[in-house]
Amino acid sequence: NAGVMQNPRHLVRRRGQEARLRCSPMKGHSHVYWYRQLPEEGLKFMVYLQKENIIDESGMPKERFSAEFPKEGPSILRIQQVVRGDSAAYFCASSPDSLNSPLHFGNGTRLTVT
Amino acid sequence: GESVGLHLPTLSVQEGDNSIINCAYSNSASDYFIWYKQESGKGPQFIIDIRSNMDKRQGQRVTVLLNKTVKHLSLQIAATQPGDSAVYFCAESPIYGGSQGNLIFGKGTKLSVKP
Repeated sequence: NAGVMQNPRHLVRRRGQEARLRCSPMKGHSHVYWYRQLPEEGLKFMVYLQKENIIDESGMPKERFSAEFPKEGPSILRIQQVVRGDSAAYFCASSPDSLNSPLHFGNGTRLTVT
Repeated sequence: GESVGLHLPTLSVQEGDNSIINCAYSNSASDYFIWYKQESGKGPQFIIDIRSNMDKRQGQRVTVLLNKTVKHLSLQIAATQPGDSAVYFCAESPIYGGSQGNLIFGKGTKLSVKP
């Protein structure tokens, strides 16, 4: 039973390039969440999606960041025109269709912007 | 603003001893609390959770205590092992506003187990 799968594990981008982070939730989970973690800090919520719908994007920067969870395929977190401040670990989590069930996290994508 | 925080940033214990990691929260309306363990280079791993209608919950070698009066959460690890070395985060889920899954994480406590 595979857990939450994220790829790539490491991603290096130059300033101004685009970063695409992918997340496949656990089997049977239809809720996906993206979090960002800066070094030595806790995770910060970015966005919550269900299939084809963004439910809560209150933690997502208004510019350059977008997320989707299409009917088929993984969830994608897209960062356009990356800047050095975007360097962080980005974690995806998923949960089944139940309120307040524990989130299961992937091992993250570590984005480095040079 | 509302926040979840930890009293101790680092904790060093001897193998076999019990560990207690503390967490304070400020949102009295929070309904659900979770402890996560994060090892280096990995994602947070669920340890145990507790709803606000409970004050204690036990798992395998772990116990979570919730004191709503003083808004305090603790994680107790019995017979700590080297494999328990990690950063431990508490998180809360506000009952209002935030969606399911909009967890508020504390900054973490690093647990170091000495053999």
